[in-house]
Amino acid sequence: GESVGLHLPTLSVQEGDNSIINCAYSNSASDYFIWYKQESGKGPQFIIDIRSNMDKRQGQRVTVLLNKTVKHLSLQIAATQPGDSAVYFCAETRDDKIIFGKGTRLHILP
Amino acid sequence: DTGVSQNPRHKITKRGQNVTFRCDPISEHNRLYWYRQTLGQGPEFLTYFQNEAQLEKSRLLSDRFSAERPKGSFSTLEIQRTEQGDSAMYLCASSPRGTTYETQYFGPGTRLLVL
Repeated sequence: GESVGLHLPTLSVQEGDNSIINCAYSNSASDYFIWYKQESGKGPQFIIDIRSNMDKRQGQRVTVLLNKTVKHLSLQIAATQPGDSAVYFCAETRDDKIIFGKGTRLHILP
Repeated sequence: DTGVSQNPRHKITKRGQNVTFRCDPISEHNRLYWYRQTLGQGPEFLTYFQNEAQLEKSRLLSDRFSAERPKGSFSTLEIQRTEQGDSAMYLCASSPRGTTYETQYFGPGTRLLVL
């Protein structure tokens, strides 16, 4: 079936290192792919999105890569900080809705 | 604070009781969405409004659930005859008017526990 999901439920990264969170999707018809960050007790916070006709987009300390050939999406966080500790969701747009995957928890090691 | 607000933040109720949640979107955002999120899962779409019109409802939204947005501003989500399976975080999001994808901004959610 059509779904958006993540490869790993938990990722531990040393503070200062780069983090890479991966996501596989199956719906090729989605127009946008989005990354959200959710901290404990809060709603999801938009990080960055990428249109389906692009393969890379950069923001502040974050980069999203889209590989349509293998239907793979990744979020790279540069110089990971303690404040980056959260659950990260990839999501896709479908008919004015956002379909979320299950999430990856990012742990920052001191 | 000009973000999306939700009230209450937490609600504990007994099975069979009715509950109502409120969402105040970002000012002038025409679209308002409701999602449900259970532990360890991503938010699941429930329904959304364009101004006061409810445009779509998910199959997850049983007939015990009803949402309104009477004046095109705030919205309420009511759950009648609550069941333990209704325990979840209920999230609201809003976005500017548009016929294509627009970034959705989420509120902090209302956490419901049905005993």
